[in-house]
Amino acid sequence: GENVEQHPSTLSVQEGDSAVIKCTYSDSASNYFPWYKQELGKGPQLIIDIRSNVGEKKDQRIAVTLNKTAKHFSLHITETQPEDSAVYFCAASKPTGTASKLTFGTGTRLQVTL
Amino acid sequence: GAGVSQSPRYKVAKRGQDVALRCDPISGHVSLFWYQQALGQGPEFLTYFQNEAQLDKSGLPSDRFFAERPEGSVSTLKIQRTQQEDSAVYLCASSLRTGAYSNQPQHFGDGTRLSIL
Repeated sequence: GENVEQHPSTLSVQEGDSAVIKCTYSDSASNYFPWYKQELGKGPQLIIDIRSNVGEKKDQRIAVTLNKTAKHFSLHITETQPEDSAVYFCAASKPTGTASKLTFGTGTRLQVTL
Repeated sequence: GAGVSQSPRYKVAKRGQDVALRCDPISGHVSLFWYQQALGQGPEFLTYFQNEAQLDKSGLPSDRFFAERPEGSVSTLKIQRTQQEDSAVYLCASSLRTGAYSNQPQHFGDGTRLSIL
């Protein structure tokens, strides 16, 4: 089955700096790659997603890039703010006849310091 | 409400007891997923419903785990004869639809934190 690796496991940046989180996936059939932000005691919140027919997508301070050949995708957060502090998960899924379950990475704890 | 609602938020049970966890998906969402999240880990898939049909239960760890969605809306995850290793956060997600060639975003509830003593 699909395997998603994520790194780093922890990341500390100063407010205003950029943060980059990287993921690799194993199944070349995967075609949908969402990113989730999870705050303590809350469920994962979708922040951005990308499909395999697109190489890059941006939404304000957040961008995601996808390299299908290398099977990796990255989350970029610019001008980080303290409220960006959370655990971030990447995920991958592939089209099937029915379910499109998500396979998640192990998470990156982002700490934005003042 | 506008989001996925799960209840209870916290559940403490003694080993051997049965528990039932409830999920109210976003209105109109056809697809419903259950995931299990161990401490410090990413969510792991348990099972999937399309309307009332359970189309994938490959992630259920044992036959003690049972899920249903009888009317295609609310879903219940039941765990029988609970064991300590069942302690985790159980997350429910819903999406408009998933099909052979498209994936719709999955929206998660805040989960039920289950602790087995």
